[in-house]
Amino acid sequence: KAGVTQTPRYLIKTRGQQVTLSCSPISGHRSVSWYQQTPGQGLQFLFEYFSETQRNKGNFPGRFSGRQFSNSRSEMNVSTLELGDSALYLCASSPLDREVDEQYFGPGTRLTVT
Amino acid sequence: QQPVQSPQAVILREGEDAVINCSSSKALYSVHWYRQKHGEAPVFLMILLKGGEQKGHEKISASFNEKKQQSSLYLTASQLSYSGTYFCGTEQYGGSQGNLIFGKGTKLSVKP
Repeated sequence: KAGVTQTPRYLIKTRGQQVTLSCSPISGHRSVSWYQQTPGQGLQFLFEYFSETQRNKGNFPGRFSGRQFSNSRSEMNVSTLELGDSALYLCASSPLDREVDEQYFGPGTRLTVT
Repeated sequence: QQPVQSPQAVILREGEDAVINCSSSKALYSVHWYRQKHGEAPVFLMILLKGGEQKGHEKISASFNEKKQQSSLYLTASQLSYSGTYFCGTEQYGGSQGNLIFGKGTKLSVKP
């Protein structure tokens, strides 16, 4: 099976712009979670989608949003970018079998805001 | 309610053992362990779902003490390939699936 794919891998944006990141989960996986990773804060949960519905959201401002499509692919959007949004954004998919519900991470999108 | 990992960093010689701890102030449903090498995505190691459960994966095993709200990762006879940052991710009671709260990580360096 192909792994989780994320596009683009690298992105440079200017403060005030908006950005959309894409994630394609492993085939058959229905849950997609998004995380922000920074040296200072580590891995922080953004939100999780299942069957096109956002089931949970982390402690991030409303500038961070996402959606999931019927094929389980997911996008996250960040509007009005700030310097502090520079981070590695990781997407993870999960089959959601309760006994084996590990999350498989994609390679991430490295976002730099200047 | 970020779990606390200890130690923050550890340096080993090949063949030595290490223990990484993950403690939470909240009751845990499960603990997930991941290893991340520099510039790469975290890779799943194992998940512990039940209190007291202990799982093994090659020479890496883990335990979960639900009562103490903590988990430990055991690396025995370490190899150079074990180098990386180890994260524990916790699912807390009252949270939802897919919402893992990660510790800050433990950087493990294995030297020849």
